[in-house]
Amino acid sequence: KAGVTQTPRYLIKTRGQQVTLSCSPISGHRSVSWYQQTPGQGLQFLFEYFSETQRNKGNFPGRFSGRQFSNSRSEMNVSTLELGDSALYLCASSQGADSSGANVLTFGAGSRLTVL
Amino acid sequence: GESVGLHLPTLSVQEGDNSIINCAYSNSASDYFIWYKQESGKGPQFIIDIRSNMDKRQGQRVTVLLNKTVKHLSLQIAATQPGDSAVYFCAEGSWGKLQFGAGTQVVVTP
Repeated sequence: KAGVTQTPRYLIKTRGQQVTLSCSPISGHRSVSWYQQTPGQGLQFLFEYFSETQRNKGNFPGRFSGRQFSNSRSEMNVSTLELGDSALYLCASSQGADSSGANVLTFGAGSRLTVL
Repeated sequence: GESVGLHLPTLSVQEGDNSIINCAYSNSASDYFIWYKQESGKGPQFIIDIRSNMDKRQGQRVTVLLNKTVKHLSLQIAATQPGDSAVYFCAEGSWGKLQFGAGTQVVVTP
């Protein structure tokens, strides 16, 4: 069973540019979450999508956005990049339909973004 | 300039010994807790989880203990192996939205 696939693995951008990151969840998983990991702030929740709808959102500015497609694949976009956006962006998928609200996230290897 | 990062506590453990990693959480309403392990260059990997209606759960070589009174979570690893060297994160939350702790670096020495 294939895991969570994130592309690209590494990318370099300059300030002011925008970037789009892609995530393919595990087959059958309907929930996709995105996290930002930096040495200064650790792992921080960006947003979560379930059945093409944003179900949860973290405390990030509007420059960070995402979407989910009908096949559960997800993309996140960061516009007007700043130096502080340099980070490892992690995508995680889960079945997302546990009635108790608890489900295990399976993470991808991440996309390493460097902003110059 | 110099960047300031999170100071990760480090736990140095001799191979074969048991490890105990501790975590304090803040939200008394949290009902789901989970431990992840992250090796260099990889995404976090699920270890074990526990619901708030339990105080202990065991997996293969790992045990998670939950003390809701003091909002404390711990992960015990039995017979620590070199492959256990990694950063360990506790997290709380649900529905794909997890709040992660800062992490603990575990270094296994021969």
